[in-house]
Amino acid sequence: DAGVTQSPTHLIKTRGQQVTLRCSPISGHKSVSWYQQVLGQGPQFIFQYYEKEERGRGNFPDRFSARQFPNYSSELNVNALLLGDSALYLCASRATVSYGYTFGSGTRLTVV
Amino acid sequence: AQTVTQSQPEMSVQEAETVTLSCTYDTSESDYYLFWYKQPPSRQMILVIRQEAYKQQNATENRFSVNFQKAAKSFSLKISDSQLGDAAMYFCAYRRAHTGANSKLTFGKGITLSVRP
Repeated sequence: DAGVTQSPTHLIKTRGQQVTLRCSPISGHKSVSWYQQVLGQGPQFIFQYYEKEERGRGNFPDRFSARQFPNYSSELNVNALLLGDSALYLCASRATVSYGYTFGSGTRLTVV
Repeated sequence: AQTVTQSQPEMSVQEAETVTLSCTYDTSESDYYLFWYKQPPSRQMILVIRQEAYKQQNATENRFSVNFQKAAKSFSLKISDSQLGDAAMYFCAYRRAHTGANSKLTFGKGITLSVRP
């Protein structure tokens, strides 16, 4: 089975632009979470979705939004990009009855 | 709010030797899960080992074992017979139990482990 896949792997955006990151969970996993990892730090929780509903939101501004589709894939959108949004964005999925999450390899976003 | 602290930013170990990575956490919950994740340069976060707080027995996965001290809120990872492939960043993480679909992970800042040949 394929793992958690994220696209794109890298991208460069200009301040003020908007970006959409995509995530496909492991087949059968209905829970998807997004994390932001700034260089040299641990991942910070952004959103969690389960069965297409938002189930948790971290301490991020409203410029960050996300959604989950009927096939359980997910998108993370960030509007009005700031230099400080430059980070590795990780997606993780989890089976309903499971303790741990499986992570994708992330999307490296650079804002210039 | 739960917090996870990894106070050692870097550690180094000789190949084939044993190393222990430290982690402390703060929570008012009595039931929770603790994890160690490994992040190599490939960036993918890989689950190394997990511990359920209600279990007194320390978890073990091959060369990896933990020392879980619930009263002290301490959760250290021991890597035995270190291999070059163990070189990576290691993150300690916490998750509340019984939260249903809302079950975020709280991570520490991580520790960079290097393995000397």
